[in-house]
Amino acid sequence: QKEVEQNSGPLSVPEGAIASLNCTYSDQGSQSFFWYRQYSGKSPELIMFIYSNGDKEDGRFTAQLNKASQYVSLLIRDSQPSDSATYLCAALLRGGSYIPTFGRGTSLIVHP
Amino acid sequence: DAGITQSPRHKVTETGTPVTLRCHQTENHRYMYWYRQDPGHGLRLIHYSYGVKDTDKGEVSDGYSVSRSKTEDFLLTLESATSSQTSVYFCAISEGRKGTSGGKTYEQYFGPGTRLTVT
Repeated sequence: QKEVEQNSGPLSVPEGAIASLNCTYSDQGSQSFFWYRQYSGKSPELIMFIYSNGDKEDGRFTAQLNKASQYVSLLIRDSQPSDSATYLCAALLRGGSYIPTFGRGTSLIVHP
Repeated sequence: DAGITQSPRHKVTETGTPVTLRCHQTENHRYMYWYRQDPGHGLRLIHYSYGVKDTDKGEVSDGYSVSRSKTEDFLLTLESATSSQTSVYFCAISEGRKGTSGGKTYEQYFGPGTRLTVT
């Protein structure tokens, strides 16, 4: 059973702080990892993807991948109330799989 | 936003009636998917398509059927709606792009969703 696990939260951080969202996966064959942001009542929106070990930065977002430990994380610097949403982690197996496995998401609340 | 639309956006129907949801894309992506999202369950794959007339079942396919006669359209049909099918339905699309190690990876883009209530 391929699984992607996330703490459901809510994770509450003050405005301006760093929010750290974590995700672990069970299948060592996973190759690609995605972070989606989902506002309440809206559809998931792809915000980051990472394929290689290490860090990938895009604006205030940094995705970190550690394949040896089978975890991927998303850091949000200078968190804003507008970052309050549910963040979904997804993993894709290598070998041409086009069906990702999604975690259930972590709710993030950024309070002023 | 990726060019994905879903119709209708909201629907209320009675138990036992047939319902068809439509997903339309303008991105010419090969792969299309139908998910449902319910509190406590996250996103669950219903059916997916890997080309015109090529479809397969996901993890929660019972009570649902799909059809894809054109690249741009993917239809989800509830043959006889039940209250357990009350949910939010999302369509997603993807296309292969080069990832690491020479392989391909597939990023999904989601439509705006359809909120279906079965009374």
